[in-house]
Amino acid sequence: EDQVTQSPEALRLQEGESSSLNCSYTVSGLRGLFWYRQDPGKGPEFLFTLYSAGEEKEKERLKATLTKKESFLHITAPKPEDSATYLCAVGNAGNMLTFGGGTRLMVKP
Amino acid sequence: IAGITQAPTSQILAAGRRMTLRCTQDMRHNAMYWYRQDLGLGLRLIHYSNTAGTTGKGEVPDGYSVSRANTDDFPLTLASAVPSQTSVYFCASRALAFTGELFFGEGSRLTVL
Repeated sequence: EDQVTQSPEALRLQEGESSSLNCSYTVSGLRGLFWYRQDPGKGPEFLFTLYSAGEEKEKERLKATLTKKESFLHITAPKPEDSATYLCAVGNAGNMLTFGGGTRLMVKP
Repeated sequence: IAGITQAPTSQILAAGRRMTLRCTQDMRHNAMYWYRQDLGLGLRLIHYSNTAGTTGKGEVPDGYSVSRANTDDFPLTLASAVPSQTSVYFCASRALAFTGELFFGEGSRLTVL
């Protein structure tokens, strides 16, 4: 059974205080690891796909990295508008996605 | 650009009642999905459809049914609602069998009393 565990469950940062979110996974035949952002009352919005260990993707203040067991979402000098829940998901050989529970990020000005 | 439209946005329902959550997409995506999101449990797949005319069961299918008569519509039906089905329901779609990029609707918040 595929499993995705995200930590921490919640993270409070001051504006400009860089940090990382963790996504640990076990999956049968990794077809990709995906990061989504979800704002309160909204549906998740796609951020990144990572396909193999060592791969990195960047978007503004966000950088996602991937190893064989986990992925990190690094947030550099965050702003209040980066506050959201960040979801990680893995795709398996059957093309199905399994999501983690998410990390709720709060950035205070 | 509409993307995925879900209805209703919110609903309070008495236990035992039948309820259909509607989902329509205008992106001509082949694959569509229904997830439920509960605090601490993340998004869990209920049912999916890889193409019009086909459906499959996800992780938590009991008590739910779906149909896919055409490409655009993917309704989710609760035949006899129970309080444990209180949740936020998200419909999603993706263009190809495997891109990982799911497009989500805004969600339907359902409360079963």
